Amino acid sequence: GAGVSQSPSNKVTEKGKDVELRCDPISGHTALYWYRQRLGQGLEFLIYFQGNSAPDKSGLPSDRFSAERTGESVSTLTIQRTQQEDSAVYLCASSRRHGGGELFFGEGSRLTVL
Amino acid sequence: AQSVTQLDSQVPVFEEAPVELRCNYSSSVSVYLFWYVQYPNQGLQLLLKYLSGSTLVESINGFEAEFNKSQTSFHLRKPSVHISDTAEYFCAVSDLQGAQKLVFGQGTRLTINP
Repeated sequence: GAGVSQSPSNKVTEKGKDVELRCDPISGHTALYWYRQRLGQGLEFLIYFQGNSAPDKSGLPSDRFSAERTGESVSTLTIQRTQQEDSAVYLCASSRRHGGGELFFGEGSRLTVL
Repeated sequence: AQSVTQLDSQVPVFEEAPVELRCNYSSSVSVYLFWYVQYPNQGLQLLLKYLSGSTLVESINGFEAEFNKSQTSFHLRKPSVHISDTAEYFCAVSDLQGAQKLVFGQGTRLTINP
């Protein structure tokens, strides 16, 4: 597709359930990022994939959060045993390897944990 | 590690007035600097960036930002704003050491009043 695609766009779940969020990056983009944006706050870095290198997981807030990426394509962010504080918009972005720092963002997946 | 501080969470201005959105960063290494914009109900998109060369960079819609290394700042300015500039603006930094992970500020909500 022309841009970064994320699904679902909205997800409402009950506390304790697991959720999976999907990101399709722009074709040819080797780097993929996940950020979290809580209501009224800035972007919080979660995880970064660059090609076949080991991902930078330094931003994952707890071991309930994990992410995978298949090659240089789709990524899935999984949140296990969701808590109310996980409610946020989860943003995915991709970039070229030498893209000068320009990230292309999807429109996000809004997660609401009841 | 890098960090970014946006000193104003909200900035209300009248249409056709000048505006400055402040951004300060902290880093022990040389950096790239960015401003991203999020218009209502849209994803984030790159507004402008400083990688090297001239310290004054401009966007296509009249915004400019100046990299000031001594003050570790990258403030965003526009001499005359329009209603269409209403958006949230995020300052971001990444290092030059090869890791393209962007660290974002908390964002500044710019509201233009008629």
